[in-house]
Amino acid sequence: GDSVTQMEGPVTLSEEAFLTINCTYTATGYPSLFWYVQYPGEGLQLLLKATKADDKGSNKGFEATYRKETTSFHLEKGSVQVSDSAVYFCALRNQAGTALIFGKGTTLSVSS
Amino acid sequence: NAGVMQNPRHLVRRRGQEARLRCSPMKGHSHVYWYRQLPEEGLKFMVYLQKENIIDESGMPKERFSAEFPKEGPSILRIQQVVRGDSAAYFCASSPPFGGGQGNQPQHFGDGTRLSIL
Repeated sequence: GDSVTQMEGPVTLSEEAFLTINCTYTATGYPSLFWYVQYPGEGLQLLLKATKADDKGSNKGFEATYRKETTSFHLEKGSVQVSDSAVYFCALRNQAGTALIFGKGTTLSVSS
Repeated sequence: NAGVMQNPRHLVRRRGQEARLRCSPMKGHSHVYWYRQLPEEGLKFMVYLQKENIIDESGMPKERFSAEFPKEGPSILRIQQVVRGDSAAYFCASSPPFGGGQGNQPQHFGDGTRLSIL
């Protein structure tokens, strides 16, 4: 079945460091891919998405490119801030379009 | 800015009681999804509903769990005879009707209901 694998956390960085969170997927066809962010005590917020191969999603300095050949959707940011500290979830939409399949999440902690 | 509204935010129940979780989708959204998040885990899909119809309940436990999305009012996730293992955060998401292609409509999440079973 469809699945998403994210790098294990926590990821601890200093302010202004470069961020990469790896995400790979297994799915039938070419699903839409998403990154969501969850701040403590809150729900998930859509960070960015890509709907077809080679699409690049971007928002708030974060980017991810849909790589069909490596079935990956790695999240990157050139310079993280303390306010970026949160849990990041990679997800794909199942073939039927009825559900999101999530990775286990990666906790990011940024210190000043 | 009326996003997805879930209530209550926190719910405490004793074993054997019933838990009712409510979700009002964003304005204009007719599709509702329920997910469960266990501690240190990602979200797991439970059920997908449209008004008065269950479309996909492949993630719902076979017993004690039910969901509805009536013509009027919020979507309800009901857990009967709760057990300790039901303790989790339950998230509702909504999306607008599918347009030209499924999969392009992102899901918008509420802040969740944190269910604790004593």
